[in-house]
Amino acid sequence: DTGVSQNPRHKITKRGQNVTFRCDPISEHNRLYWYRQTLGQGPEFLTYFQNEAQLEKSRLLSDRFSAERPKGSFSTLEIQRTEQGDSAMYLCASSQGPSNQPQHFGDGTRLSIL
Amino acid sequence: AQSVTQLGSHVSVSEGALVLLRCNYSSSVPPYLFWYVQYPNQGLQLLLKYTSAATLVKGINGFEAEFKKSETSFHLTKPSAHMSDAAEYFCAVNTRGGGTSYGKLTFGQGTILTVHP
Repeated sequence: DTGVSQNPRHKITKRGQNVTFRCDPISEHNRLYWYRQTLGQGPEFLTYFQNEAQLEKSRLLSDRFSAERPKGSFSTLEIQRTEQGDSAMYLCASSQGPSNQPQHFGDGTRLSIL
Repeated sequence: AQSVTQLGSHVSVSEGALVLLRCNYSSSVPPYLFWYVQYPNQGLQLLLKYTSAATLVKGINGFEAEFKKSETSFHLTKPSAHMSDAAEYFCAVNTRGGGTSYGKLTFGQGTILTVHP
């Protein structure tokens, strides 16, 4: 169990640029989640996958956001035309099976928009 | 819809004192409940979970929590605080069931625990 891995750990970019984050879940986990955390707040759900299927997407996720999990393994989260309000910590988590199983979190990608 | 309220955004205790972090939840169905801890610039680490077995749940690092259905609470306690417990703590709820809406966690706003020597 190597844990959930997220890359990069930090990303600084100019407003209007596109960014992509990667998440590698724990290998046997079939569920993968993305959350966003702003300063002083708890994480907020963005989207989740069961295997390669994206099963739920939050209304927080505008059309500028897209997530994929092409082979049911790693996932990417892309933000197009970044805005100041996108500055946050983006957390990935994975779990195996039903909702009583805990989600295991990566260390996150901190995005700063200049 | 489900929600979580953590009473007290900051809690300060002396080393060796009792730690009590409060969490109340709202859920239309019996919930699964979790406590996570977050250290600066890190992700969330699971402390403990309640999934309908014993109502008193023991977790890592000496923490425990009691599920009280009548009070819709899941407060986190530790008998004796240690300096290394200083961190931010999050209570979270997940919904039972196997449908597609049952995967996400809803978090409280967090409680920052400070431990004084």
